Amino acid sequence: SYELTQPLSVSVALGQTARITCGGNNIGSKNVHWYQQKPGQAPVLVIYRDSNRPSGIPERFSGSNSGNTATLTISRAQAGDEADYYCQVWDSSTAWVFGGGTKLTVL
Amino acid sequence: QLQLQESGPGLVKPSETLSLTCTVSGGSISSSSYYWGWIRQPPGKGLEWIGSIYYSGSTYYNPSLKSRVTISVDTSKNQFSLKLSSVTAADTAVYYCARQADLQYAPFDLWGRGTLVTVSS
Repeated sequence: SYELTQPLSVSVALGQTARITCGGNNIGSKNVHWYQQKPGQAPVLVIYRDSNRPSGIPERFSGSNSGNTATLTISRAQAGDEADYYCQVWDSSTAWVFGGGTKLTVL
Repeated sequence: QLQLQESGPGLVKPSETLSLTCTVSGGSISSSSYYWGWIRQPPGKGLEWIGSIYYSGSTYYNPSLKSRVTISVDTSKNQFSLKLSSVTAADTAVYYCARQADLQYAPFDLWGRGTLVTVSS
């Protein structure tokens, strides 16, 4: 079965750049989606198909995907960006797979 | 605008069947070629896709849950439903319904608020 690996936690200083990785075998060949989830709330899509931002998502959020790693980048991190972030891909044998999630802390 | 709302019992006994419904409001469940899915999240843990259904009724299930899951759609009520049989404490989770424009390539772009289901005697 296909697995996605994310760091349990990432910390970033206020106003700096946070990078959250999502590792998977040849993930660069797949479409990666990213979700933000704040406590007690449903996930919100922040990046789709590797690097596309839905309407209403700030330009500070960007994504890339190559080789065995996809990356969500949050520039000029704000206190309101503190949340759990999940990557997601479709695999032909496993269907929809989510990463284990990364807790972002803004210091 | 389109909204999704989960409903169903918050407490289910072990070995019984969990049943949830997602009501789509603000639009027709069959007016566009969308897929409608169920995702769950155990307390303090990550997300797990359960399955999805096309508005026409075609279903797609997580292989690890397939033997226990049934998803159906009722276009007349603008609803789709989840049944998970033979539940155990491991099925305790917040259950979300969500929409996606394509089964394999599109993300879940619209989510319900989620409903907590606890499996306990």
